[in-house]
Amino acid sequence: KNQVEQSPQSLIILEGKNCTLQCNYTVSPFSNLRWYKQDTGRGPVSLTIMTFSENTKSNGRYTATLDADTKQSSLHITASQLSDSASYICVVSAMNDYKLSFGAGTTVTVRA
Amino acid sequence: GAVVSQHPSRVICKSGTSVKIECRSLDFQATTMFWYRQFPKKSLMLMATSNEGSKATYEQGVEKDKFLINHASLTLSTLTVTSAHPEDSSFYICSATQGTSGRPSIFHEQYFGPGTRLTVT
Repeated sequence: KNQVEQSPQSLIILEGKNCTLQCNYTVSPFSNLRWYKQDTGRGPVSLTIMTFSENTKSNGRYTATLDADTKQSSLHITASQLSDSASYICVVSAMNDYKLSFGAGTTVTVRA
Repeated sequence: GAVVSQHPSRVICKSGTSVKIECRSLDFQATTMFWYRQFPKKSLMLMATSNEGSKATYEQGVEKDKFLINHASLTLSTLTVTSAHPEDSSFYICSATQGTSGRPSIFHEQYFGPGTRLTVT
């Protein structure tokens, strides 16, 4: 069964600090992995998408990494801002399957 | 580009009534739309996949007679929750993607709507 697990479930950081979120998956055969940001009461918004051959992808202060061998990904947030407070969801696609496998998300709270 | 809207953003209805949620792709033609349900602090759960002009495909455990889906055009899909009950209260999110020949493509991004908060009293 295709599964996506994220850790930690939640975290609190001070404004200006960095943090790293983890995603482990068992989706196979792997197609791509996406990180989404979901603000409270809103739909998910795509941050990064990586295919098998990509190890790192950045979008502003967000940097995602992918290790397809160990089936792990991380999302690093640099110099956090109050607006980064949201849920971050790891989503994995399998080859030949349009359905997405969603992680439960990591809730990030940035405090001043 | 690739904007998906949902209406309404919030709705409160009485138990036993029906409520319709609209999902629109504003700047592209969506051959396939997906409907998800999300509980607090949980991941999105796929409810059904709808292709324009054909019947929706429901996931296991989702009652098709309770959650009516219509995908009448390439830019609009509707989800109607019939005879709503308090347990139907949830956050409903749609997504849209461009496919070919009416079939969803794994190579096309799913663009998510902003969601609709349904509360049944």
